[in-house]
Amino acid sequence: QQQVKQSPQSLIVQKGGIPIINCAYENTAFDYFPWYQQFPGKGPALLIAIRPDVSEKKEGRFTISFNKSAKQFSLHIMDSQPGDSATYFCAASIRGNYQLIWGAGTKLIIKP
Amino acid sequence: GAVVSQHPSRVICKSGTSVKIECRSLDFQATTMFWYRQFPKKSLMLMATSNEGSKATYEQGVEKDKFLINHASLTLSTLTVTSAHPEDSSFYICSATGGDGTDTQYFGPGTRLTVL
Repeated sequence: QQQVKQSPQSLIVQKGGIPIINCAYENTAFDYFPWYQQFPGKGPALLIAIRPDVSEKKEGRFTISFNKSAKQFSLHIMDSQPGDSATYFCAASIRGNYQLIWGAGTKLIIKP
Repeated sequence: GAVVSQHPSRVICKSGTSVKIECRSLDFQATTMFWYRQFPKKSLMLMATSNEGSKATYEQGVEKDKFLINHASLTLSTLTVTSAHPEDSSFYICSATGGDGTDTQYFGPGTRLTVL
């Protein structure tokens, strides 16, 4: 019940396309859902995060869609660029707990 | 804001030696720091959680005598890999919370440890 399931494992998209990465969870106590971007040999960097009181959050070209009833959330990258090629991780935690439960990651490649 | 640094970024050591990795929050006071290990093409595996001035809480399966964690101040935590062996070779990453009053974890750039 503590798992966060992330898909797909890898994704190749043409430049300008909209890659979508999906995550699903079981534990309804989760109330914080961040997305992290990681480049090879670097630590993860927070991209965007959402709480379950909103269904969508947008920051620049990155959008999180959140479906509380389905216990799913997804990351959309608008106007994708080759520089967006990285591994993306979704995660979840319970307020005040701090411990993140991680998805398995999605390796995204944006082709020029 | 909310910058976390790690030192060193890379370290190569001989089997049997000990290695210390530092994690610092540069522009905020970190109430809680975390240490992760990441294997190639895998997700992050939490090793331990530490709060300033108290003993670290280790995850199941992580040897506390092998991976010594010290959180001496609100801006510094250290991970010491004692008597390192080749199987300890990995990418170690720290994170910290407390920078903005939320649950957000801010990550350091990671340390690549290679044990020969």
